[in-house]
Amino acid sequence: DAGVIQSPRHEVTEMGQEVTLRCKPISGHDYLFWYRQTMMRGLELLIYFNNNVPIDDSGMPEDRFSAKMPNASFSTLKIQPSEPRDSAVYFCASSSRGAEAFFGQGTRLTVV
Amino acid sequence: AQKITQTQPGMFVQEKEAVTLDCTYDTSDPSYGLFWYKQPSSGEMIFLIYQGSYDQQNATEGRYSLNFQKARKSANLVISASQLGDSAMYFCAMREGTGFQKLVFGTGTRLLVSP
Repeated sequence: DAGVIQSPRHEVTEMGQEVTLRCKPISGHDYLFWYRQTMMRGLELLIYFNNNVPIDDSGMPEDRFSAKMPNASFSTLKIQPSEPRDSAVYFCASSSRGAEAFFGQGTRLTVV
Repeated sequence: AQKITQTQPGMFVQEKEAVTLDCTYDTSDPSYGLFWYKQPSSGEMIFLIYQGSYDQQNATEGRYSLNFQKARKSANLVISASQLGDSAMYFCAMREGTGFQKLVFGTGTRLLVSP
């Protein structure tokens, strides 16, 4: 397996634009996590899915953020409209139940 | 309430010495798992070691070992014989519960290994 694949690796966008981050988890994993990492707030859990169903989205900062998992092999995190304070590294991770999570390489988002 | 606490923002160690990175956790669930991850300057998150709450022995993986003290709710990472390549951020994390299991992280400790 190629591991967790995230795209794009880097994204630079203007304030107000819609941003979509993509994630392909490891095949067979039933958990998928989205994290945001910043210097100020560290590694924050935004939302996680189990068997494609969102379980806890309490970490999603605002209604501007939304996440979907239409099938077991694909998830998106969307920000609309984007703001400069959304600039961060966004990680997707997947795991089996109770096991360690495997992380993607992350998407570095810059909103100018 | 913070579930995972890492009180050391930064640690320094000389090459070939051992170093302990602290982690305390908070849970009322008897079933949980504790994890350590390494994040080098390149940014990727690398899984290092796992300890289950019912495990009788402390986990070890090569130069990494986990000093698990259940009553004190601590899960410190010990790195023996430090190498320059160990310089990185280290994160402690926990999954808890028999139902759905989120994975939450501490704030991390930056380790610098000097020659």
